[in-house]
Amino acid sequence: EPEVTQTPSHQVTQMGQEVILRCVPISNHLYFYWYRQILGQKVEFLVSFYNNEISEKSEIFDDQFSVERPDGSNFTLKIRSTKLEDSAMYFCASSGTVRQLFFGSGTQLSVL
Amino acid sequence: QKEVEQDPGPLSVPEGAIVSLNCTYSNSAFQYFMWYRQYSRKGPELLMYTYSSGNKEDGRFTAQVDKSSKYISLFIRDSQPSDSATYLCAMKAAGNKLTFGGGTRVLVKP
Repeated sequence: EPEVTQTPSHQVTQMGQEVILRCVPISNHLYFYWYRQILGQKVEFLVSFYNNEISEKSEIFDDQFSVERPDGSNFTLKIRSTKLEDSAMYFCASSGTVRQLFFGSGTQLSVL
Repeated sequence: QKEVEQDPGPLSVPEGAIVSLNCTYSNSAFQYFMWYRQYSRKGPELLMYTYSSGNKEDGRFTAQVDKSSKYISLFIRDSQPSDSATYLCAMKAAGNKLTFGGGTRVLVKP
């Protein structure tokens, strides 16, 4: 069964450092997303991406965040200068034309 | 009023019982309704996807949507210990953003 793959599963970084979270969406999907879940809180929308551009973003997704689809298979989330409050589980998701979202297992980001 | 409300539980049931979960919402623009299962420290796993009002059944799972009451439900029949997880409702309008409830933790005891 096709699945969304995320790497690494756990990322530890120092405050102020840049991190890149990587995702391989399901191969025939067209829409890509990043969500995050702070421990004990709701899953929150960050950004959606379609046709090589951002289609929607939340107020959380400020100038410190960027997304990229560098090739035909990868989808990345970059955080330029991490803050303590960026510590969370980050989920990548993808969907096809039916818009059912399938999520990866997540990257646990710990900012020290 | 929160956009999507969900009782956090925990909801504890004996094996074989019916699990009943629900969410209420305030945004009348929501058209697509989903239920996800999430095991600890894992990604949400899509269980049911429903467009607009009505019922949908898939195996042991039944999803109901009542848009007039802004109320959605998920029923799990013949519950198993492996059904123990957190169940998240999620919904969206015409755009891309999926709005989640806070999740209900379910414990199915053998």
